[in-house]
Amino acid sequence: GQSLEQPSEVTAVEGAIVQINCTYQTSGFYGLSWYQQHDGGAPTFLSYNGLDGLEETGRFSSFLSRSDSYGYLLLQELQMKDSASYFCAIIGWGKFQFGAGTQVVVTP
Amino acid sequence: DVKVTQSSRYLVKRTGEKVFLECVQDMDHENMFWYRQDPGLGLRLIYFSYDVKMKEKGDIPEGYSVSREKKERFSLILESASTNQTSMYLCASSPTGTGAGNTIYFGEGSWLTVV
Repeated sequence: GQSLEQPSEVTAVEGAIVQINCTYQTSGFYGLSWYQQHDGGAPTFLSYNGLDGLEETGRFSSFLSRSDSYGYLLLQELQMKDSASYFCAIIGWGKFQFGAGTQVVVTP
Repeated sequence: DVKVTQSSRYLVKRTGEKVFLECVQDMDHENMFWYRQDPGLGLRLIYFSYDVKMKEKGDIPEGYSVSREKKERFSLILESASTNQTSMYLCASSPTGTGAGNTIYFGEGSWLTVV
């Protein structure tokens, strides 16, 4: 089976850096993805790690370590519009398994 | 852009009713999914399909069934709605293949209330 754990909520001020950790237990998978969801909206793709290491996309970076069963999403230069829920997801054999999500609250 | 369209945004149904949630994608994706989203529980997979007329159970299939008669359309059916099925339902699709299959595209969601 698969399970993913991530913190339920993180609060930070504008301009700060936030790291959202995701630990998982799985018997095998292709990669780890991150999705963003604003209130009332659909989750949208942010990043994907198929290999260990860091992937950078603008202000967002994502990291995966298969040996540690761990990944994270790094949000830099936080903006008010980054207030949203962030989900890590395991991709394996046609299935996408999601964590419970982390609510990021950005304050002025 | 990939578009996943769910036919109903908000529905209110009575206990015991049969409910159909329809989903259509326009990108010729092989894989389609139905999730339900509840506070604190994230997105839980109900069923998925990797081809026409094919279906696989997800983590919480009880009380649900699905139909995929055409590649672009994936329907979720609540045979006899119950109050504990009040939730937001998200349809999604993804292509097959290394690289392309790493991304899943969601519809806007259907908010179902069972009274």
